[in-house]
Amino acid sequence: EVQLVESGGGLVQPGGSLRLSCAASGFTFSSYWMSWVRQAPGKGLEWVANIKQDGSEKYYVDSVKGRFTISRDNAKNSLYLQMNSLRAEDTAVYYCARARSGLVLDWGQGTLVTVSS
Amino acid sequence: DIQMTQSPSSVSASVGDRVTITCRASQGISSWLAWYQQKPGKAPKLLIYAASSLQSGVPSRFSGSGSGTDFTLTISSLQPEDFATYYCQQANSFPPTFGPGTKVDIK
Repeated sequence: EVQLVESGGGLVQPGGSLRLSCAASGFTFSSYWMSWVRQAPGKGLEWVANIKQDGSEKYYVDSVKGRFTISRDNAKNSLYLQMNSLRAEDTAVYYCARARSGLVLDWGQGTLVTVSS
Repeated sequence: DIQMTQSPSSVSASVGDRVTITCRASQGISSWLAWYQQKPGKAPKLLIYAASSLQSGVPSRFSGSGSGTDFTLTISSLQPEDFATYYCQQANSFPPTFGPGTKVDIK
């Protein structure tokens, strides 16, 4: 069974930083693109970032470029999202996602990031 | 970015009803479209990919159709567990973008 477990969310002040982690199990982690997708409270879904199987390619939505960094450690079956210069509009539940061909095959349970003073 | 729209934004229906949700892309995306179901407080779940292919384990009452810019999700006979919000998503180009969602609730 595929399991994706996020951690690292919480309350942070505007301009602050946070690092999200995702522990993956139940599949061959190194064989899949991985993604982060977020959902602001009461709102729709927004794809944040993608990373290729070996980490050689990364893509970001324009709103987070230069502030967020996606990375992975295939030896630890883990995905990360380093978030810097956080803004109020980054407040959302962040989902770790196993992806393929632009689809999300599996989702984690999500971790809430709240940016507020 | 490719913009996705959905209609209606919400629909009230009864158990056993046939429900159809429409999704439109701002430019042609061939069949690079997926549908997800999300229940309150839960992560979304993939229902359909490639516009009409049913994800493993998804009941056959769900079906998808369309290509290019216009797509539909149909629930042939609504069941109690189907009351949820449904999102379409284009997978044709980065960034993948989602529609605003259609909430299906109980009449």
